[in-house]
Amino acid sequence: EVQLVESGGGLVQPGGSLRLSCAASGFTFSSYSMNWVRQAPGKGLEWVSYISSSSSTIYYADSVKGRFTISRDNAKNSLYLQMNSLRAEDTAVYYCARDLSGKLALDYWGQGTLVTVSS
Amino acid sequence: QSALTQPASVSGSPGQSITISCTGTSSDVGGYNYVSWYQQHPGKAPKLMIYEVSNRPSGVSNRFSGSKSGNTASLTISGLQAEDEADYYCSSYTSSSTRGVFGTGTKVTVL
Repeated sequence: EVQLVESGGGLVQPGGSLRLSCAASGFTFSSYSMNWVRQAPGKGLEWVSYISSSSSTIYYADSVKGRFTISRDNAKNSLYLQMNSLRAEDTAVYYCARDLSGKLALDYWGQGTLVTVSS
Repeated sequence: QSALTQPASVSGSPGQSITISCTGTSSDVGGYNYVSWYQQHPGKAPKLMIYEVSNRPSGVSNRFSGSKSGNTASLTISGLQAEDEADYYCSSYTSSSTRGVFGTGTKVTVL
């Protein structure tokens, strides 16, 4: 059974940093591209970042470019999102999601981890 | 990259068919056959319903179908059921410097 479990969310002050993790199991993690998607409270989905299976290709949404860094460790079946210079508008539930085709067809999602940026 | 445009809400009676539109540009929806649709119930993670415009993942009911014309993609739900009441989002691969974009979301209400 495919499982994605996010962790690392919490309350952080504006300007602070946080590192999210996503532990994958039940599939060959190294064969799939992965994405981070976020959802602010009461709002819609926002794509955040993409990383290819080998980490050779990485993309970011303009809203996080230069502040967030996506990475993965295929040996540990884990995906990460390092978030720096956090702003109030980064407050959201962050989901990791497996990319079925490498073209934003996200077929498995984690349960999400809440990040709250507030003083 | 602006969000794709969806109607805020669509409603229908049980058994009816409804269609949700998703309008983008030639740089995303119109330029590629990489449109996906997601269903999200309150407090739950999204679920992939359609990918590559019209493909259904295993386990998704054939009451859900997708299509595309020009810069607009559509999701049709036929034989509407109470369990279909949820938020629906489209997404598309994009040629912009980013990778992808989601739609604004549509709340489906079963009357």
